[in-house]
Amino acid sequence: NAGVTQTPKFQVLKTGQSMTLQCAQDMNHEYMSWYRQDPGMGLRLIHYSVGAGITDQGEVPNGYNVSRSTTEDFPLRLLSAAPSQTSVYFCASSYSSYSGNTIYFGEGSWLTVV
Amino acid sequence: DAKTTQPTSMDCAEGRAANLPCNHSTISGNEYVYWYRQIHSQGPQYIIHGLKNNETNEMASLIITEDRKSSTLILPHATLRDTAVYYCIVSGDNTDKLIFGTGTRLQVFP
Repeated sequence: NAGVTQTPKFQVLKTGQSMTLQCAQDMNHEYMSWYRQDPGMGLRLIHYSVGAGITDQGEVPNGYNVSRSTTEDFPLRLLSAAPSQTSVYFCASSYSSYSGNTIYFGEGSWLTVV
Repeated sequence: DAKTTQPTSMDCAEGRAANLPCNHSTISGNEYVYWYRQIHSQGPQYIIHGLKNNETNEMASLIITEDRKSSTLILPHATLRDTAVYYCIVSGDNTDKLIFGTGTRLQVFP
């Protein structure tokens, strides 16, 4: 199993550009989510999904869109990148909605907006 | 989700036990205590979780007080590779809403 796979690993964007961070998992997990981590800070939840076709907002959703058309994929879209979105982005997944399940994280996507 | 309080940093000698405390005084009955760690800027790594009872796995032990208001993560024989930021998280009926704090930076020294 590959686990949680994120692409790209590194990306530089100009202000105003759009892009999509890809996240895929091969563990048939219902739950998927996106976090961002700024330097010296903990992770903050952006958006999450409890299953295909269902998404919801986390702590810091502004400037980001998500969709969940399949169980495996959960892309994060930046519609108009801003320097404040420079961060490391982590995708995560877990088996089900019941508490007590382990969450698995990807290795991160480093995004710089200039 | 309940908030947690952890010390900002701790040191531990290699080979000794590392005991990382966490306060979660507002935890409710159905909320689990999770521990994750993050080495450098890698993705967080799951360590252990528990509800009421103490738990042990190949990585660590988790001791939860009887009133569940605090817990301690124990790395029995710390190595240099255990140097990382350790996050204590409390989460209830939606595991995907894990709310991370700033964690404890554990430095293991030779």
